[in-house]
Amino acid sequence: AQTVTQSQPEMSVQEAETVTLSCTYDTSENNYYLFWYKQPPSRQMILVIRQEAYKQQNATENRFSVNFQKAAKSFSLKISDSQLGDTAMYFCAFEGQAGTALIFGKGTTLSVSS
Amino acid sequence: KAGVTQTPRYLIKTRGQQVTLSCSPISGHRSVSWYQQTPGQGLQFLFEYFSETQRNKGNFPGRFSGRQFSNSRSEMNVSTLELGDSALYLCASSLSPGEVGELFFGEGSRLTVL
Repeated sequence: AQTVTQSQPEMSVQEAETVTLSCTYDTSENNYYLFWYKQPPSRQMILVIRQEAYKQQNATENRFSVNFQKAAKSFSLKISDSQLGDTAMYFCAFEGQAGTALIFGKGTTLSVSS
Repeated sequence: KAGVTQTPRYLIKTRGQQVTLSCSPISGHRSVSWYQQTPGQGLQFLFEYFSETQRNKGNFPGRFSGRQFSNSRSEMNVSTLELGDSALYLCASSLSPGEVGELFFGEGSRLTVL
């Protein structure tokens, strides 16, 4: 069975700094998808970034980028130039065969302060 | 375009009662998934519906059930409530089950069981 592990329950960073959130996963599949979702306090979860396992190039979305290491089964999220609005819980998620349910890590609570 | 709407947002029940939660997906979305979010277990998949049929089911007891109507709206029901059922129940919609990772979440229904 696939598992997703986020080893950092909480992290703090100052505005404008860069922070990296860690995620590792376990799967025997070769084709799969990885995601980072953001859940702000009392607001709905939104997709931040996605990565297809067959793509070697790391995905980037504005200030958000990933470091995807397929052999190491590692998928970290880097947030550059952190903003107060980045304060949220971040979930790493795995999807195997298309159409199967997302498997989430337990989340990392990120606090950005001024 | 309206987002995913979940009702009620908050509710308090006592052990042994039952509860029904409702989810209206984004217009045009036909796939609805349900997740249970707790501090200890994180996000756990409950079930997924598409075209009024349950496609996937997570590892939850039979007290948890759901259905989907012809207009794609979905309900989930929990019978004989236990204290451990206290959680945030999240609904997510997508165009179809094949829309990899493109889940749009509602704000959730927070259930407290006393």
